[in-house]
Amino acid sequence: LAKTTQPISMDSYEGQEVNITCSHNNIATNDYITWYQQFPSQGPRFIIQGYKTKVTNEVASLFIPADRKSSTLSLPRVSLSDTAVYYCLVGGQDSSYKLIFGSGTRLLVRP
Amino acid sequence: DAGVTQSPTHLIKTRGQQVTLRCSPKSGHDTVSWYQQALGQGPQFIFQYYEEEERQRGNFPDRFSGHQFPNYSSELNVNALLLGDSALYLCASSRGTVEEKLFFGSGTQLSVL
Repeated sequence: LAKTTQPISMDSYEGQEVNITCSHNNIATNDYITWYQQFPSQGPRFIIQGYKTKVTNEVASLFIPADRKSSTLSLPRVSLSDTAVYYCLVGGQDSSYKLIFGSGTRLLVRP
Repeated sequence: DAGVTQSPTHLIKTRGQQVTLRCSPKSGHDTVSWYQQALGQGPQFIFQYYEEEERQRGNFPDRFSGHQFPNYSSELNVNALLLGDSALYLCASSRGTVEEKLFFGSGTQLSVL
């Protein structure tokens, strides 16, 4: 199973762009990369998913280099409500349908 | 359209007891995964059910068992509860393939005294 490595924590200020990078050196050919956001006492919430290059939706962008050994979640102009834990997951048919969460990145957005 | 619903929201048990947690998946979803999340940790994969069968299992003892019903709802059973089983238990639903995003419920907070 592809293991992911993320920074334990990050600090930012309101209005700034935040980039969280995830390392997944042994990603399999058919694996997708998915990011989730979790607030205290709630279940994780899907943010964005990609396979290669760049994906953008209404809340974030996901950058995946050609070798796919890492990915970067970009949150534009964060607000206080973006304070949460962000998880990077890698999985696909080659991972036998398991989706394994790492320890996540705790993002603190300050006023 | 209801999302993933879990019951109960909170539960207090004593060591040695047995507990059953329930999950109803999002409409249109046929796959249910269960996760255990200890305080300050990421969710740990317990097992996944698809077509009423356990498709994959994480590193959890046999005290943890599950079931999926024909309507795709699922139960998680834990026998012989230990203090270390105290955690937030999360249910996630998806459609068949692992590429589909997971939708999580709000979880059941289990406290074992």
